[in-house]
Parts: sequence; structure tokens; C-alpha cells
Amino acid sequence: DIQMTQSPSSLSASVGDRVTITCRAGQSISIYLSWYQQKPGKAPKLLIYGASSLQSGVPSRFSGSGSGTDFTLTISNLQPEDFATYYCHQSYSSRTFGQGTKVEIK
Amino acid sequence: QVHLVQSGAEVKKPGASVKVSCKASGYTFTTYYLHWLRQAPGQGLEWMAVINPNSGSTTYAHNFQGRVTMTRDTSTSTVYMEMSSLRSEDTAVYYCARDDLQYDSSEFREMRYFDYWGQGTLVTVSS
Repeated sequence: DIQMTQSPSSLSASVGDRVTITCRAGQSISIYLSWYQQKPGKAPKLLIYGASSLQSGVPSRFSGSGSGTDFTLTISNLQPEDFATYYCHQSYSSRTFGQGTKVEIK
Repeated sequence: QVHLVQSGAEVKKPGASVKVSCKASGYTFTTYYLHWLRQAPGQGLEWMAVINPNSGSTTYAHNFQGRVTMTRDTSTSTVYMEMSSLRSEDTAVYYCARDDLQYDSSEFREMRYFDYWGQGTLVTVSS
């Protein structure tokens, strides 16, 4: 299985901040990378697919980039509703997730 | 609109089996693959299995082969996940999720991602 490693595991930020989360794949996965947001007690929600394509209905302050092994999720102008845990996911070979990044209020 | 509605919470004893359902609506059931994933308390997401609702063919993650069976009922647009020989480590929230895709013309293959999720079903395994 392809290992996905996210960093950091957690971060503290303030409303209005720009936040960047990194995801590294154990081997090249082209752009077969998606990002999900999960709030406590809720199912994950798709934010980004194909490394950089914004899912319909997701605010434009969310953006993704990268290809091969290194990817980033950026949240510009962090909003109160963005405090959550974020997961990267690869579908290039089987299906695996990063361990998650918890975005907390500073 | 698309909905995936799962069955309710379960409490099982070690060694027992559990069967969780996921009823799809708002789209043509046979058009999209459906998956099961799970999340242990305080942990990350783990992919378990996928089914092609049209053909019924399934693929299982290595960790679950032989212990998990995924089936579907096209008459009710429902998929099922049955897990046997439950142990305490199987205590988790189980999710069904729909698989959307885009065709990647550079690699001549499909790029897949989970676009809709069920609400989750807590399965507790305890003596």
C-alpha cells in the first residue's frame, strides 16, 4: 500500500490566517489525490480532487496543488467553520489516507 | 439530491458478526461504485472494500479479506457490509461512500475520489 504522510499533525491558527497542510506520498501518485474535511461526529466532506480541482460548493478559499509525491492544501483567510481535521487520500493504487491534520483555534 | 443513509448503531460481543446497510437515493444506483471505510475512535480513515453495484463484483483491502463481505440489493438500492469474528479492535464508526471519477487521458485510467458519504454507523464490540 502507498503510505501517505501529512504534516503537521496539528496546528493552531487564527481567523483570517493562511494555512498550509502538506501531504507526501510514498511513491508517485500523479494527481490521484483528494482532500477531505471532517468535523467532530460528522462524515468527511470532499474539498479537492485531482490534486487541485475544487469540488462544487466548496468555498474558493480552499485550494490544492502538487503532483507526483508532494501535495499541499491551502486555506486562505481561515474562517471559524474551517476548524476541523483534514485528510489527504490517494486512489492511484488501492486507497489510503494520510493520518490527518487537526486545525485548531489559536 | 444524493443521499446515503446508513443503519443504526450496533453493540456486539467478541466473535459475533455484524451487518451494516447503506441505502442510496438521488441517483442511478448502478452507475457509481460504493465503498465501506471505517474510523476507530480518535483515529484516521481506513478503506475496507468496494462494490460495483451493476455487476456485484467486489474488492477487499488485504486487512479485511476473508472477514468482510460486501453485497448489494439493486431492488432497494442498498449495499451491505458484513463483518465476522468481531474483536474489540473493530470498534469504530463505519462509513459508506460513493466513488466519483474523472478520466485521466494522460494515463488512460480513471481518477477516483469519494464524493458523497453516509452519516456513519458506530459498531461497538465489547464483552
